[in-house]
Amino acid sequence: KAGVTQTPRYLIKTRGQQVTLSCSPISGHRSVSWYQQTPGQGLQFLFEYFSETQRNKGNFPGRFSGRQFSNSRSEMNVSTLELGDSALYLCASSLRGGIDEQFFGPGTRLTVL
Amino acid sequence: DAKTTQPTSMDCAEGRAANLPCNHSTISGNEYVYWYRQIHSQGPQYIIHGLKNNETNEMASLIITEDRKSSTLILPHATLRDTAVYYCIGDGSSNTGKLIFGQGTTLQVKP
Repeated sequence: KAGVTQTPRYLIKTRGQQVTLSCSPISGHRSVSWYQQTPGQGLQFLFEYFSETQRNKGNFPGRFSGRQFSNSRSEMNVSTLELGDSALYLCASSLRGGIDEQFFGPGTRLTVL
Repeated sequence: DAKTTQPTSMDCAEGRAANLPCNHSTISGNEYVYWYRQIHSQGPQYIIHGLKNNETNEMASLIITEDRKSSTLILPHATLRDTAVYYCIGDGSSNTGKLIFGQGTTLQVKP
């Protein structure tokens, strides 16, 4: 079956703009988690959605937000972009979250100029 | 969530077993130990997880000490394609899909 897909794969924005990233989970998976990966901070958890509800949130400012639709697809939005937001943004899906294995997508590479 | 400690890097000869250690001395009784790996420029890939007992799947074996303060991931016959960063994760968020990644171990498999 198809894996986790993320669009777009690459994105270039300028400071102050906003951006929306999309994630389509594996069919049947209801949990979607988002992570930010940078060389300095490594992989950091952003938030997790299950059945359209945010269940957990990492330590990121309110400029980072997300949502999940009834078909489990998820989007994350970053407003007022800063240079430090340049990163690889990864989403992962699992059946229910919790101890379930998470399947990661290829990521979206965001560059903020 | 348990804090995990892993060596920064390790080398392994191709065809030999790779043994990757992880210390998780603060792990609590209901926290699972997960292993993921990330091959360059790809998303992380799940390998295995366990609670108390040793576990084995088609990719690897996980050996957890009786006191659960440490574990070892074993790749029985490492290949060049196993070169990656390996993350050991102690997960306390059993009801949500939250993984706390540390810095991981960079495993270099050499011919």
